[in-house]
Amino acid sequence: GQNIDQPTEMTATEGAIVQINCTYQTSGFNGLFWYQQHAGEAPTFLSYNVLDGLEEKGRFSSFLSRSKGYSYLLLKELQMKDSASYLCVPEGGRRALTFGSGTRLQVQP
Amino acid sequence: NAGVTQTPKFQVLKTGQSMTLQCAQDMNHEYMSWYRQDPGMGLRLIHYSVGAGITDQGEVPNGYNVSRSTTEDFPLRLLSAAPSQTSVYFCASRETRGGYEQYFGPGTRLTVT
Repeated sequence: GQNIDQPTEMTATEGAIVQINCTYQTSGFNGLFWYQQHAGEAPTFLSYNVLDGLEEKGRFSSFLSRSKGYSYLLLKELQMKDSASYLCVPEGGRRALTFGSGTRLQVQP
Repeated sequence: NAGVTQTPKFQVLKTGQSMTLQCAQDMNHEYMSWYRQDPGMGLRLIHYSVGAGITDQGEVPNGYNVSRSTTEDFPLRLLSAAPSQTSVYFCASRETRGGYEQYFGPGTRLTVT
């Protein structure tokens, strides 16, 4: 089975930094994806972590601790267009990705 | 590459009607899946396939059938539409090897009256 825990909603200010935390439990863990989904659109890939540590990609970084079952997504220099849902998606052995509701981020001016 | 394509983009059905949502991908991905997303909710897995001729059920398979006769196509059939099936349907594909991102189609917005 699989269990994902993320905050339901977050609010941040344009230009600021925000960290979205995720704790998970999954059998046969391979790695962890982060996806972004704007309202009314399909999810798009942001990052994939398989090893412990921080992966940086432009304004977005993602961290993984396999032993703690913990990940976070860090968004820097927030822009209005970053208002979206952010989905933490552990990849288990079954290869079928299970998506939760994610964290809805609202960026305010 | 066109990626993952879905047709139609919008559909209105009456209760009891049947229809097929089409999904195709041109990336030679073995793995394909169907999700539904209700307003304000997360994606829920309906059915998935790890290759031609192989399908399996996801979290919410009731009322839906799938088949996979080719690598490229993965149609989703609604057998007898119900208002509870009003949703946005996303098709997705990816490599079966771990660590590869999943690509989504643009979605089909279905309303059942």
